[in-house]
Amino acid sequence: EAQVTQNPRYLITVTGKKLTVTCSQNMNHEYMSWYRQDPGLGLRQIYYSMNVEVTDKGDVPEGYKVSRKEKRNFPLILESPSPNQTSLYFCASGLGGTGSYEQYFGPGTRLTVT
Amino acid sequence: GENVEQHPSTLSVQEGDSAVIKCTYSDSASNYFPWYKQELGKGPQLIIDIRSNVGEKKDQRIAVTLNKTAKHFSLHITETQPEDSAVYFCAASPPAGGGNKLTFGTGTQLKVEL
Repeated sequence: EAQVTQNPRYLITVTGKKLTVTCSQNMNHEYMSWYRQDPGLGLRQIYYSMNVEVTDKGDVPEGYKVSRKEKRNFPLILESPSPNQTSLYFCASGLGGTGSYEQYFGPGTRLTVT
Repeated sequence: GENVEQHPSTLSVQEGDSAVIKCTYSDSASNYFPWYKQELGKGPQLIIDIRSNVGEKKDQRIAVTLNKTAKHFSLHITETQPEDSAVYFCAASPPAGGGNKLTFGTGTQLKVEL
């Protein structure tokens, strides 16, 4: 089944404890992206990647890191999480413009930072 | 950067009626405008999109219109059904992002009542 998977789906952590949220897609997509969703603010793009070793900042990159060492994986790293990073996070992938800009979203990761 | 405003934030319609959601954008260079539907507990899913060289696009009960002069675009859903109940997000993408750097609106909770 073609899909985007995220792990973990739920995470509660404490301020300052480094964490990684993994994202993997099995559709051979060039493009991958991370978003956060907060009530009243909609979806905001954190980082995106057009290909392996190519990443660009979205609208809210502060406090986050990403890497794209393999085409199928795009982990989101919070080196020192803070309570304002409590949010619902979505990973997405797509063809990146080769005929379509459609993005396929994962199921989401709900992160709570205390 | 791009700023997208979306209205209304909530919309309640009777089954069979039409629903209209409106968005305005700030960057006149933006050229790609998708609409995503998010059902409860799931990631967003693309339902329709339009590029700046087109004024209107239809797909069965769903249509999107774009007014580049006024910098606004709208989603029209006709003959609404209970399964249309969801949160809808509009988005805009500037040319530099190639359709992959998306700025989303804040979302519209659509409720279709029997």
